Amino acid sequence: AQSVTQLGSHVSVSEGALVLLRCNYSSSVPPYLFWYVQYPNQGLQLLLKYTTGATLVKGINGFEAEFKKSETSFHLTKPSAHMSDAAEYFCAVSGNSGNTPLVFGKGTRLSVIA
Amino acid sequence: DTEVTQTPKHLVMGMTNKKSLKCEQHMGHRAMYWYKQKAKKPPELMFVYSYEKLSINESVPSRFSPECPNSSLLNLHLHALQPEDSALYLCASSHSGLIYSTDTQYFGPGTRLTVL
Repeated sequence: AQSVTQLGSHVSVSEGALVLLRCNYSSSVPPYLFWYVQYPNQGLQLLLKYTTGATLVKGINGFEAEFKKSETSFHLTKPSAHMSDAAEYFCAVSGNSGNTPLVFGKGTRLSVIA
Repeated sequence: DTEVTQTPKHLVMGMTNKKSLKCEQHMGHRAMYWYKQKAKKPPELMFVYSYEKLSINESVPSRFSPECPNSSLLNLHLHALQPEDSALYLCASSHSGLIYSTDTQYFGPGTRLTVL
């Protein structure tokens, strides 16, 4: 069965600093990996996804993530944090037959300090 | 148009009430989903419809009853709910009817449900 572990339920960074949100996955088959963002009182919005091909994936709002098979990781980064990046971030892996279609991590809340 | 709409935005109901949540998409997507999300938790899958047929029911209590009248519309009928059912209910859709795929799930803004 597929699973996702997000390290750190809360990450706090200063405005302009590097954002690094960690995600490790477990999958018995080549994984499809996703990062979603949820702003307060809103639904989830896709930031980026990895399916096949290039392991460095660029997403919206300046975010990117790198798929590292050897480390079973898919960490999300952004060079310079903005106040508007404060939100909840979910890493997810697609399921296989018999599992739920999308398996979410527990989420990481990002706070940005002025 | 990559929008999933949900109504109502907020709903307060008593334990004896019957109410319905509505979800709509006009992207031609063939899979639609209901999720329940408690505060500070990830979404939990409830139901999946593929080509308007119920494909996944994640052991949801019968007081929640989904319905997919057509390919654009998804309803969630609520009856005799409990206070612990209070949560954000999210609808999502994805392009193909192949549930286990690389398709992106597009989420609506959710309905904030409070059960008194």
